[in-house]
Amino acid sequence: KAGVTQTPRYLIKTRGQQVTLSCSPISGHRSVSWYQQTPGQGLQFLFEYFSETQRNKGNFPGRFSGRQFSNSRSEMNVSTLELGDSALYLCASSGINGGTGELFFGEGSRLTVL
Amino acid sequence: QQQVKQSPQSLIVQKGGISIINCAYENTAFDYFPWYQQFPGKGPALLIAIRPDVSEKKEGRFTISFNKSAKQFSLHIMDSQPGDSATYFCAARRDYGQNFVFGPGTRLSVLP
Repeated sequence: KAGVTQTPRYLIKTRGQQVTLSCSPISGHRSVSWYQQTPGQGLQFLFEYFSETQRNKGNFPGRFSGRQFSNSRSEMNVSTLELGDSALYLCASSGINGGTGELFFGEGSRLTVL
Repeated sequence: QQQVKQSPQSLIVQKGGISIINCAYENTAFDYFPWYQQFPGKGPALLIAIRPDVSEKKEGRFTISFNKSAKQFSLHIMDSQPGDSATYFCAARRDYGQNFVFGPGTRLSVLP
């Protein structure tokens, strides 16, 4: 079974630009969550999508947005980039049928804002 | 109340030693407590998890100890190996369908 795939793996942007990151979940998983990882803050929850609907949202400004498509693939967008947005953005998918909702993470998209 | 505190920030252990990482939470509604292991360049992966109805769970060299009254839980790595060198995150979740809250992480280095 293929794991969670994130693209691109690395990208460099300048302040004020916008960026779109993509995540393909494990086949059959309908929940996709996004996390921001920085050295000082650990993993901060951005939002979660389930069946194309945002189910949970973290405390990030409106510049951070996301969506999920009918095939469960998800994208997140950051507009008007700031230096502080430099981070590793992790996507995680989870199954829906009982269990614990274990998160399966991708390898992340490392964003550098200059 | 949504925070999960984790200590130490970094840990150096000799091969064969015991690594102990501690976490504390405040929200008594949390009901699932996983630990994730992350190697450089990789995403976190579930290591072991526990629910508050048990005080301890062991899987191989990894053990979670859970103290519900103190709202604390810890990860013990017995016979630590250099291959265990990674960053470890504790996490908590209120119930299924809610988001996970992660601790800030502990960087473990096991010296050969």
